[in-house]
Amino acid sequence: GQNIDQPTEMTATEGAIVQINCTYQTSGFNGLFWYQQHAGEAPTFLSYNVLDGLEEKGRFSSFLSRSKGYSYLLLKELQMKDSASYLCAVLDSNYQLIWGAGTKLIIKP
Amino acid sequence: ETGVTQTPRHLVMGMTNKKSLKCEQHLGHNAMYWYKQSAKKPLELMFVYNFKEQTENNSVPSRFSPECPNSSHLFLHLHTLQPEDSALYLCASSQTSGSYNEQFFGPGTRLTVL
Repeated sequence: GQNIDQPTEMTATEGAIVQINCTYQTSGFNGLFWYQQHAGEAPTFLSYNVLDGLEEKGRFSSFLSRSKGYSYLLLKELQMKDSASYLCAVLDSNYQLIWGAGTKLIIKP
Repeated sequence: ETGVTQTPRHLVMGMTNKKSLKCEQHLGHNAMYWYKQSAKKPLELMFVYNFKEQTENNSVPSRFSPECPNSSHLFLHLHTLQPEDSALYLCASSQTSGSYNEQFFGPGTRLTVL
């Protein structure tokens, strides 16, 4: 079967750095997405990786290793507004998105 | 504001009621999706429409009935629901389905079935 694993919840301190991991086992791979979802709001696109390596976008970076079936989202200089759920999703061989259950990130002052 | 709107934002219904959820996208996309989001569970894809044609129906019970009259509008008709159907129902759109395309989500309808 297809599976996406990510931690259920993480806590970090304002101003610090946090890394949210995602491992996947899917039938085929056509890229990996990270979305951010604030409570009661729509998920919004953060990043897309299809090649190995690190993609940096401001305070957020996303890393992919296809051979290891692994990705992480790195958030730097954490702000209170970064408190949200972070969803990892893989585009499989049929171009269908397979979603993880999301990681709830709690930022403390 | 993602360009995808959903109404109503909240809905409480009894098991014998019939109601409809509405989704509209203002992005010129050709693919639209219905997802179910339950607490601490992955997003579950329910239906996909590409150019108004249904291309996916992931074994969804017949008490959920989708309708896509044009590429900008998507409905989910509900009848004889069960309490376990209580969840957040998200609509999304993308340029097309079947390839890499970022999906844009609406804010969802929080459904409670009593």
